[in-house]
Amino acid sequence: EVQLVESGGGLVKPGGSLRLSCAASGFTFSNAWMSWVRQAPGKGLEWVGRIKSKTDGGTTDYAAPVKGRFTISRDDSKNTLYLQMNSLKTEDTAVYYCTTVVLVVPGNWFDPWGQGTLVTVSS
Amino acid sequence: SYVLTQPPSVSVAPGQTARITCGGNNIGSKSVHWYQQKPGQAPVLVVYDDSDRPSGIPERFSGSNSGNTATLTISRVEAGDEADYYCQVWDSSSDHSYVFGTGTKVTVL
Repeated sequence: EVQLVESGGGLVKPGGSLRLSCAASGFTFSNAWMSWVRQAPGKGLEWVGRIKSKTDGGTTDYAAPVKGRFTISRDDSKNTLYLQMNSLKTEDTAVYYCTTVVLVVPGNWFDPWGQGTLVTVSS
Repeated sequence: SYVLTQPPSVSVAPGQTARITCGGNNIGSKSVHWYQQKPGQAPVLVVYDDSDRPSGIPERFSGSNSGNTATLTISRVEAGDEADYYCQVWDSSSDHSYVFGTGTKVTVL
C-alpha cells in the first residue's frame, strides 16, 4: 500500500524556520517526482513546489509566493521528502500535504496524498 | 499566471446529477484533473486526464473538457458525495507550475 506520512508541523514565530518531512512507503520513491501542496484554513489548495527524481535531474520548481524562502529536497536512501521553510510569514499558515506527481504527457496530477501537517505562523 | 474559476457552491438532491464547472482560457487544450476533499481529510483524485477514473472511484463520477470549460459530473448523487471539489491543470507555460481551481462545495440537500 502506498503511504505518505508528513511530520514536523507546529507553531513558529514570523521570521522563523521549520522543516517538514514526508516518509514514503509502498512504491519506488527514488523514481518519483514529489510535490508539496498547502491549504490555508478555510481556503483552497495551493501548489508549493516540486522536485524531480534524481534520474530526471533532481531539479526543483516553486510557486512564486515561496520562491527564495522554501527549499524542497529528498533523501532517496531514507525514502523521505523534505520542505525547509525559512523567513516564515503569517500567510504561510496552512496544512501542508506531501503528494506524488503522476507524469503522463500532457498532464501531471497528484496521487496519492499524505494526511497533512499543520504549520501555524504566529507571534 | 493561469487562472481556473469554479462556482463556490452547488446544491443537489440525492439521486440527481451535480455538475461542477472549471473555467480557464482555452482549458480544452489542457489535461484537467479533479479532486474530492471531505472535511478534515486529504484530497483524493476522482478524475484524471479530463475523463478517466482511478481504480476504486465509482462510475458515477465522470468528466469532460472542451473550449473554455471543463466539467465534473456526479450522477445519482449520494450523501457521501458531499465535499469540496477542485480542478487542476499543469501549466507548462508558467514556470512549469501546477494550478488549482478555486474549489466548489457540493451540498446534498
